[in-house]
Amino acid sequence: GAGVSQSPRYKVAKRGQDVALRCDPISGHVSLFWYQQALGQGPEFLTYFQNEAQLDKSGLPSDRFFAERPEGSVSTLKIQRTQQEDSAVYLCASSLPWGRNYEQYFGPGTRLTVT
Amino acid sequence: ILNVEQSPQSLHVQEGDSTNFTCSFPSSNFYALHWYRWETAKSPEALFVMTLNGDEKKKGRISATLNTKEGYSYLYIKGSQPEDSATYLCAFNPQGGSEKLVFGKGTKLTVNP
Repeated sequence: GAGVSQSPRYKVAKRGQDVALRCDPISGHVSLFWYQQALGQGPEFLTYFQNEAQLDKSGLPSDRFFAERPEGSVSTLKIQRTQQEDSAVYLCASSLPWGRNYEQYFGPGTRLTVT
Repeated sequence: ILNVEQSPQSLHVQEGDSTNFTCSFPSSNFYALHWYRWETAKSPEALFVMTLNGDEKKKGRISATLNTKEGYSYLYIKGSQPEDSATYLCAFNPQGGSEKLVFGKGTKLTVNP
């Protein structure tokens, strides 16, 4: 079946531009996560949805970052007024049931480069 | 601050060699430990999820063990093949938190033919 998809796969933005990154989770998956991987680092948690409810946004680095999942399926991560330090791979993951010992299924990521 | 350490950072082996890497995590706050394999330009692929002290899991030539009392997990690859070349990530899920994962920086494995 189809896995988690993300678009665009690559995005180049000029400093100060707004960007929107899309995640299509596996159909029926309840939980959806966003992670940010900077160069040389492991992925770091940004935010988490259970259906349409954003239950944890403690990892969002600033108020320029905003995520939504209005109908409990597709999610968008928006970054306003991009800065060079926002350059990273943004990973989306989904999982079916609620439960911390279940696998998270990852998309291929969006590589954002801010120039 | 939760810290997950992986070693070594990178590893080069010859085809046919067996190898292993380590993941260290806080032992006092454990709920689950995940291993992922991430090939360049692909999605991270889940290998194992382990929750119980002493867990051992196996998938083909890859296996993993878990020691929650001392806070470490080992990943073993038997008879490495070039297609095993990837970054191997471990991720810790603490007690009392949400489902979010805390990742290490990964071990980059290169298997030379």
